Amino acid sequence: QKEVEQNSGPLSVPEGAIASLNCTYSDRVSQSFFWYRQYSGKSPELIMSIYSNGDKEDGRFTAQLNKASQYVSLLIRDSQPSDSATYLCAVQFSGGYNKLIFGAGTRLAVHP
Amino acid sequence: GAGVSQTPSNKVTEKGKYVELRCDPISGHTALYWYRQSLGQGPEFLIYFQGTGAADDSGLPNDRFFAVRPEGSVSTLKIQRTERGDSAVYLCASSFQGEQFFGPGTRLTVL
Repeated sequence: QKEVEQNSGPLSVPEGAIASLNCTYSDRVSQSFFWYRQYSGKSPELIMSIYSNGDKEDGRFTAQLNKASQYVSLLIRDSQPSDSATYLCAVQFSGGYNKLIFGAGTRLAVHP
Repeated sequence: GAGVSQTPSNKVTEKGKYVELRCDPISGHTALYWYRQSLGQGPEFLIYFQGTGAADDSGLPNDRFFAVRPEGSVSTLKIQRTERGDSAVYLCASSFQGEQFFGPGTRLTVL
């Protein structure tokens, strides 16, 4: 049973729109949550981390965490074609010795 | 400062051969992780070092896989008797507190 779930996509949005990416995780005591962006042929790049319930904003990115509902989301405002990539959700569970459990990623396509 | 570096960037080998993959973490990062990523999947955890010791090796798939970090900095992932199923991108990440930063990866192809 997978512990972190994401829709594979592709999620297609027009340039300038808000892209909403979602991630759910299994019922375990969870600790930290991360969003990585991965361009084709490249390695994951950390874009957001969130540790407590609520919203965290960084530029055009907003991460939202709801531990009671076991989901974390990433909003990208004013989407640009350069945002087209795969977005990976990663969860660090308590007692997991700091390892990250990744979802399979959601492919985002921003079209002009 | 410099990020995580990994060598080689690409490695092609034949089934049954031995390979070594190297990771040089960000200076000062005490934690080092190895993951591997297959096409269309997220990275899958292999092993975690805190300093010189392997704190968690639960992700190593079998005893053909082994990793070391003798001086608490550079790490080497070693794969014996490679199999075609070992083909993947092997990623290394390092962290100081919490956030993990990935290197460019080594693409391993076993023919």
